[in-house]
Amino acid sequence: DAGITQSPRHKVTETGTPVTLRCHQTENHRYMYWYRQDPGHGLRLIHYSYGVKDTDKGEVSDGYSVSRSKTEDFLLTLESATSSQTSVYFCASNPGTSPGELFFGEGSRLTVL
Amino acid sequence: TQLLEQSPQFLSIQEGENLTVYCNSSSVFSSLQWYRQEPGEGPVLLVTVVTGGEVKKLKRLTFQFGDARKDSSLHITAAQPGDTGLYLCAGANGWQLTFGSGTQLTVLP
Repeated sequence: DAGITQSPRHKVTETGTPVTLRCHQTENHRYMYWYRQDPGHGLRLIHYSYGVKDTDKGEVSDGYSVSRSKTEDFLLTLESATSSQTSVYFCASNPGTSPGELFFGEGSRLTVL
Repeated sequence: TQLLEQSPQFLSIQEGENLTVYCNSSSVFSSLQWYRQEPGEGPVLLVTVVTGGEVKKLKRLTFQFGDARKDSSLHITAAQPGDTGLYLCAGANGWQLTFGSGTQLTVLP
C-alpha cells in the first residue's frame, strides 16, 4: 500500500456551497491525481500534479481547482458545487518509476443536493 | 481525448468457465495497464504491458498487448468467485493515465 488516505470519505452538501477534498500520501510520491468515477464512464482525470505547486488539467477539469503546497497533500476544491459533481472521487499517487503504476485511495463519495 | 473502449460492459459466468475481456482504442499508448476494483475500494494494479505483442501471465490471468499497441485483452481461465470485480484497462500517455469504462465481472458459485 502507498499509504494514501482521503478525507472526508462521505459528504453531502447543497448546490452552490464550496467543497474541499483532501488527499494525503506518506510515500513521498512525486505524482498525484484526482479522478472521478461515475457509472458508465470509468475513471476520468480531473487534475494531476507532477510536483509541489506544479499541476495540470485533466479531461474533466471545469468547475474544479487543485493545490499542492506539500509533497504529501493534494487538495481538490469545488468552488460552487453542482448536482453534476455528485460522484465518487479517487485520489492516486505515482512514485515516478512507471507512468501506469498508480496507487489509489479508498475514494470520497460526494452528494450534491 | 484518447478513448479506451472495453467489452463486454457486464459479464456473468459460472465458476470454472473461461472468459476474455477486451480493451480497444484508436490511439497508441506507451503502455497499457489492467486494474481490478472491488466495491468501496480504489482500483489495484494487476499488470503493465509495454511491448507490442507482449503476453504476461499472472496465475490464471493472461494479458496480451496488441502488436500495434492500441488494444489489449484479459483472459481468465477457470474463473472463481474471488475473481468477481470491476476490471479496468488504462493507457498511459506521458504521466497521464486514461481509463476505460470497465467490465463488471460476476462469477457465480
